[in-house]
Amino acid sequence: AQSVTQLDSHVSVSEGTPVLLRCNYSSSYSPSLFWYVQHPNKGLQLLLKYTSAATLVKGINGFEAEFKKSETSFHLTKPSAHMSDAAEYFCVVSDMVANAGKSTFGDGTTLTVKP
Amino acid sequence: GAGVSQSPRYKVAKRGQDVALRCDPISGHVSLFWYQQALGQGPEFLTYFQNEAQLDKSGLPSDRFFAERPEGSVSTLKIQRTQQEDSAVYLCASSPSSHQPQHFGDGTRLSIL
Repeated sequence: AQSVTQLDSHVSVSEGTPVLLRCNYSSSYSPSLFWYVQHPNKGLQLLLKYTSAATLVKGINGFEAEFKKSETSFHLTKPSAHMSDAAEYFCVVSDMVANAGKSTFGDGTTLTVKP
Repeated sequence: GAGVSQSPRYKVAKRGQDVALRCDPISGHVSLFWYQQALGQGPEFLTYFQNEAQLDKSGLPSDRFFAERPEGSVSTLKIQRTQQEDSAVYLCASSPSSHQPQHFGDGTRLSIL
């Protein structure tokens, strides 16, 4: 079985300060991990993915995430927040071997960016 | 555009009515997924197609939910005898294969009165 826990339902930062969105996962095999962003009334946009290559993954819009197997974590970071980063963020685990791409989403983290 | 297209964007129906939601995946994408997203929650898996074959329907909440993809391209999610708890955003996603990231449509927001 696979599962995802996003440790914070809401994160608020000031513009220009770092962002940290935390995610822990559980998977029976070697998972693929993703972060998606969702703006209001929009679908999900892929930020970055981990698929067993480099453990530090760089994505779009300055985001990156580090896969830590020992901690079963895949936290999302960004050095400096922009107002346009305000959105809902989802951590996703997908076990390609056992579940053929079936993805399990976390409950999401709402990021607020204050001016 | 070249993205996943869903229609309608919004659907309001009375309890007990049947509804049909359409998904046009990215051309050439083999895999197609349907998700249900309740307010304030993450998307939850409903069903998965590889071409026209429905390989996994374990997430469909009841036998009132039915999905098809007869020619391996456009897919339709049908909900019969709708109930208030069916109110949610229904997201469709496609990918070149099941091992690659999914591309999402903007969803259909279904409201059951």
